[in-house]
Amino acid sequence: SQQGEEDPQALSIQEGENATMNCSYKTSINNLQWYRQNSGRGLVHLILIRSNEREKHSGRLRVTLDTSKKSSSLLITASRAADTASYFCATERRDSGYALNFGKGTSLLVTP
Amino acid sequence: DTGVSQDPRHKITKRGQNVTFRCDPISEHNRLYWYRQTLGQGPEFLTYFQNEAQLEKSRLLSDRFSAERPKGSFSTLEIQRTEQGDSAMYLCASSPPSTGNTEAFFGQGTRLTVV
Repeated sequence: SQQGEEDPQALSIQEGENATMNCSYKTSINNLQWYRQNSGRGLVHLILIRSNEREKHSGRLRVTLDTSKKSSSLLITASRAADTASYFCATERRDSGYALNFGKGTSLLVTP
Repeated sequence: DTGVSQDPRHKITKRGQNVTFRCDPISEHNRLYWYRQTLGQGPEFLTYFQNEAQLEKSRLLSDRFSAERPKGSFSTLEIQRTEQGDSAMYLCASSPPSTGNTEAFFGQGTRLTVV
């Protein structure tokens, strides 16, 4: 079963705007990860945030984590057409060697 | 390219045929995972190997599915008597042995179409 739920399911913005995607999950976590998937391709790891962290930055990416609300957000600043992709949050299955439970993803379209 | 490699990239097969997919993980990674992804959904966990040992299998992995990692390096996923519902993208991922690093490195996937 899928652990996370991303919101919104689809997001369309113009280049230069910021994009915010949210993720909610059900059970307690060690880490939460965000991945990007270009159409028909494999997933690429973006960022990992640990349960004792509240915010993390990587380039134009900013991730927040609120363990009390079991939610996380991914902010992409100054978006580019190349950011067009699906974005997934993932939590770790402790019983499966840290295999990942993914949500359904947010489909982001950035238009020039 | 030293990333995770999957072969073939695409496979079209008739219902009832058997298919086998191969995954070559990053060489120093001892953990290997298989996922299945259908259109509009996130990847779903199928099975996990640590070295050559298959340590976890999802309930999604019916008895028509079998996975191996005979020497702790490459892995194969076989589907017997394929059904149309098996049509999906099959993704392989690997992770390094450090328990502090849980980042997964994904291959490009094998897209299976059962007709």
